Amino acid sequence: QVQLQESGPGLVKPSETLSLTCTVSGGSISSYYWSWIRQPAGKGLEWIGRIYTSGSTSYNPSLKSRVTMSVDTSRNQFSLKLGSVTAADTAIYYCGRGGTYSNGIFDSWGQGILVTVSS
Amino acid sequence: DIVMTQSPDSLAVSLGETATINCKSSQSVLYSSNNKNYLVWYQQKPGQPPKLLIYWASTRESGVPDRFSGSGSGTDFTLTISSLQAEDVAVYYCQQYYGTPYTFGQGTKLEIK
Repeated sequence: QVQLQESGPGLVKPSETLSLTCTVSGGSISSYYWSWIRQPAGKGLEWIGRIYTSGSTSYNPSLKSRVTMSVDTSRNQFSLKLGSVTAADTAIYYCGRGGTYSNGIFDSWGQGILVTVSS
Repeated sequence: DIVMTQSPDSLAVSLGETATINCKSSQSVLYSSNNKNYLVWYQQKPGQPPKLLIYWASTRESGVPDRFSGSGSGTDFTLTISSLQAEDVAVYYCQQYYGTPYTFGQGTKLEIK
């Protein structure tokens, strides 16, 4: 059973860059689509973007100018960078796997990491 | 972007009864070439990530109890939970994967009456 684990700083200052990594264990990172999804406290889910193991990406246009995703297949990891953060970026950030059934069906999720943007 | 709207925002149902949650998309998520609806349902319990329940609008994920069922096509979809159990208390989300950006409904909070 594949497991996903998010890691990174839980506190980021306004205007700085949020950097998170998702480590995949119990299975290969190859041939799947890997997404980042976020959820502000008590609110709904927002898809940030995805990366395929080839490195091709698709980002949500609402965040595209600030988002960069990368993948390291040798480490079974993929990463998210979100620049110029504000308090509105405070949320639980999840990584998720797509591609077992279709690119956009997330059949495995990490437990999530709370990132707070504050000075 | 495809806007997903769920109704109701919350509902309370007695144990053993049936809960019905609706999801409407702002445009059809039925892909004509394969006749599949690109619609998924997730269950999220407090402090946990979402869990995949149903995909292709009506296909249950492995291990999901058969009291969970999905129906609908085009722009209107329904998640039905029959014989409600205490462990079904959660927030339920629909999501379209017809196109990017993938978008979610606002969620429906299910409680026990």
